[in-house]
Amino acid sequence: DSGVTQTPKHLITATGQRVTLRCSPRSGDLSVYWYQQSLDQGLQFLIQYYNGEERAKGNILERFSAQQFPDLHSELNLSSLELGDSALYFCASNVQGSNEQFFGPGTRLTVL
Amino acid sequence: AQSVTQPDIHITVSEGASLELRCNYSYGATPYLFWYVQSPGQGLQLLLKYFSGDTLVQGIKGFEAEFKRSQSSFNLRKPSVHWSDAAEYFCAVVGILTGGGNKLTFGTGTQLKVEL
Repeated sequence: DSGVTQTPKHLITATGQRVTLRCSPRSGDLSVYWYQQSLDQGLQFLIQYYNGEERAKGNILERFSAQQFPDLHSELNLSSLELGDSALYFCASNVQGSNEQFFGPGTRLTVL
Repeated sequence: AQSVTQPDIHITVSEGASLELRCNYSYGATPYLFWYVQSPGQGLQLLLKYFSGDTLVQGIKGFEAEFKRSQSSFNLRKPSVHWSDAAEYFCAVVGILTGGGNKLTFGTGTQLKVEL
């Protein structure tokens, strides 16, 4: 158990809908990262937040957005969902200055 | 930009046989390298990491990896594979981004099958 929690574990929704994925980092970690794992694209970095501020952006679609709250939990919002958004979404966290990231169990999103 | 190549998509070994999974990276500076394992339907578990120092690093579950700068490689090895090692293995490198952020860049993964 990495100490990073993600909810929900599974999510099934329809095209065009909007969903929110939640991540709670390890105690003391200020950085949160989001990754997408799909059959087409593999494991891809989406976005990083540090202490409430966006720090780095990867291949994140404009339909997707994220934020990190004062209690350091983070949410990834996916809107206007398409079939191709079906994937496993991972959250990771670490402390400032560390290069090792600790991964949550992931949220499996299925878009029908 | 950094990149990671795992040339073998699938590998099958017999239980008890030795294993080597290949990983080549591209990164301009000293790389920070990782191997993760993912069992079906599960998350990512860190097997081992290389930051600096001894180029042969030991990890969990009897795995080790050797960093070879001259070959830009970080191959994962295990002397005797167990049936429970069947999983997908990912090599990754950390990249430092403009603005101080960082990200992991993953290879495409190697699916390991173990024959009993």
